[in-house]
Amino acid sequence: DGGITQSPKYLFRKEGQNVTLSCEQNLNHDAMYWYRQDPGQGLRLIYYSQIVNDFQKGDIAEGYSVSREKKESFPLTVTSAQKNPTAFYLCASSRQGSSYNSPLHFGNGTRLTVT
Amino acid sequence: AQSVAQPEDQVNVAEGNPLTVKCTYSVSGNPYLFWYVQYPNRGLQFLLKYITGDNLVKGSYGFEAEFNKSQTSFHLKKPSALVSDSALYFCAVRLNTNAGKSTFGDGTTLTVKP
Repeated sequence: DGGITQSPKYLFRKEGQNVTLSCEQNLNHDAMYWYRQDPGQGLRLIYYSQIVNDFQKGDIAEGYSVSREKKESFPLTVTSAQKNPTAFYLCASSRQGSSYNSPLHFGNGTRLTVT
Repeated sequence: AQSVAQPEDQVNVAEGNPLTVKCTYSVSGNPYLFWYVQYPNRGLQFLLKYITGDNLVKGSYGFEAEFNKSQTSFHLKKPSALVSDSALYFCAVRLNTNAGKSTFGDGTTLTVKP
């Protein structure tokens, strides 16, 4: 079955360490997104990519970095510059272009805890 | 700029009763509107969408939503709630511009009591 795989499901890190969250999709979608979810705050867009080797900052990009070297993969690095990294991170993908009416497909998330 | 408001943090209904989860939006242009559901420690799942045409949209698991352009609303409804409908519900808006970015409401927790 096609879908989005995020790994690991749970991640624990010490403050000051960088950490990379994996996101892989086999839906052949052009666009991929990273969202951060905090209780009571809905989803906030971190970065998005509409095509391989290109990505743009979302609303809360500071302290994060991404790469898009392959269509299937969009890893997110949470750097030590991110002041409050503990959160639930969601990766999503969608068809693009004239299909902005397509829904997002989500992975099952990575819960990051930094102490 | 586009924004979505879900005015109720929490909605409680009894099993078998109808449910409504409210959503209003603000955009410049014609929006695509979506509802998603999230169960604990899982990603969001797509329920239904409005693109154009009939204002009443039917989706998964017996849910439907009514688009009202004059009130800029897109309320989620179900005629008879189930305990298994208890979850976190998100309304989202997408435009043909702005790189098709989605904007989400803050979510509404639906609790259906037996």
